[in-house]
Amino acid sequence: DVKVTQSSRYLVKRTGEKVFLECVQDMDHENMFWYRQDPGLGLRLIYFSYDVKMKEKGDIPEGYSVSREKKERFSLILESASTNQTSMYLCASSLVYKEQFFGPGTRLTVL
Amino acid sequence: SQQGEEDPQALSIQEGENATMNCSYKTSINNLQWYRQNSGRGLVHLILIRSNEREKHSGRLRVTLDTSKKSSSLLITASRAADTASYFCATDKGANSKLTFGKGITLSVRP
Repeated sequence: DVKVTQSSRYLVKRTGEKVFLECVQDMDHENMFWYRQDPGLGLRLIYFSYDVKMKEKGDIPEGYSVSREKKERFSLILESASTNQTSMYLCASSLVYKEQFFGPGTRLTVL
Repeated sequence: SQQGEEDPQALSIQEGENATMNCSYKTSINNLQWYRQNSGRGLVHLILIRSNEREKHSGRLRVTLDTSKKSSSLLITASRAADTASYFCATDKGANSKLTFGKGITLSVRP
């Protein structure tokens, strides 16, 4: 079974802190994605990566950066957390043109 | 930007009944996928239908795709209480396997 794990299920941070969200997949997938999910807005793509050290902006990249130094790991970084970044963050991975496999999500609260 | 739009937004049915959910999209696609999300969890892939396919089955799931109308439907037959979840359609336009998700349909199946 494909397994996508995320470093935390729940996270509470203060405004201005630097926040790292980690995602690891164990199926050698080329593609990895970071989404945020908010009530009434569905899933929105923040960044995705199609290879090591390669990244592309999604629909809402402002305030976020990413890092993919190894194929299995994709990190989302909030350089200076703000209250409007309180959300559920979902990581996913996939082979090219195949279905995505999601992690359990990290519910981030920024106070 | 939202590509898939699901309809209805919420659906409540009795156990044993069939549930039909619809999705419309705006631009041409490579494939369309349906996902399920149980409360507070990550998404689980249900079924993928390619643009040259019209119908696909998987267990109690039946998906249709009408590219001329830019719409898809997901039918769950003989629903069970365990089918209670949110359902999302997602379109793949063929660019690096990026998906664009709709806002989701909340399905409640009453025992």
